[in-house]
Amino acid sequence: GDSVTQMEGPVTLSEEAFLTINCTYTATGYPSLFWYVQYPGEGLQLLLKATKADDKGSNKGFEATYRKETTSFHLEKGSVQVSDSAVYFCALSGQGAQKLVFGQGTRLTINP
Amino acid sequence: GAGVSQSPSNKVTEKGKDVELRCDPISGHTALYWYRQRLGQGLEFLIYFQGNSAPDKSGLPSDRFSAERTGESVSTLTIQRTQQEDSAVYLCASSLNSGSWETQYFGPGTRLLVL
Repeated sequence: GDSVTQMEGPVTLSEEAFLTINCTYTATGYPSLFWYVQYPGEGLQLLLKATKADDKGSNKGFEATYRKETTSFHLEKGSVQVSDSAVYFCALSGQGAQKLVFGQGTRLTINP
Repeated sequence: GAGVSQSPSNKVTEKGKDVELRCDPISGHTALYWYRQRLGQGLEFLIYFQGNSAPDKSGLPSDRFSAERTGESVSTLTIQRTQQEDSAVYLCASSLNSGSWETQYFGPGTRLLVL
């Protein structure tokens, strides 16, 4: 079945550092790919998504590119802030499906 | 506008009791989903509604779990004869339409503890 594997955490960085959180997937056909974020004390919210190969999703300085050839959707940000501290989830929705399949989540802490 | 709401926010129950968890989706959203997150694990899909029918119930872990939805409105997840392994955060989400590309909007969750 469909699955998502993401970089295990926790990840701790200093402010203004470069961030990469790796995400790879297994799915048949052409899934849609998502990054969701959960800030402390808040609910899960969409950060960005890409629905076809080579699409780049972007939001709040974060980017991820849908790479069909490497089945990856890595999350990147050039300069992180303390306010980016959160748990990040990579997810997919299989072609023709509705449910989301999530990775385990990566806890990110940014120190000033 | 109002987001997805869930009640109760926390529920403590004794093993063997039944519990009902409620979800109010965003108004106008036709699709509704239930997930759960056990401690230290990722989110697991439970069931999906399109309108008041449930085309995908594949994630329900046992026949102790059931869910229903009234039209394109409120949904209730019922767990009968609760077990300690049912302890988890139960999340509800809704989307405007069904489709793999649709954004799902999540509620704050119900934290269930079975003693």
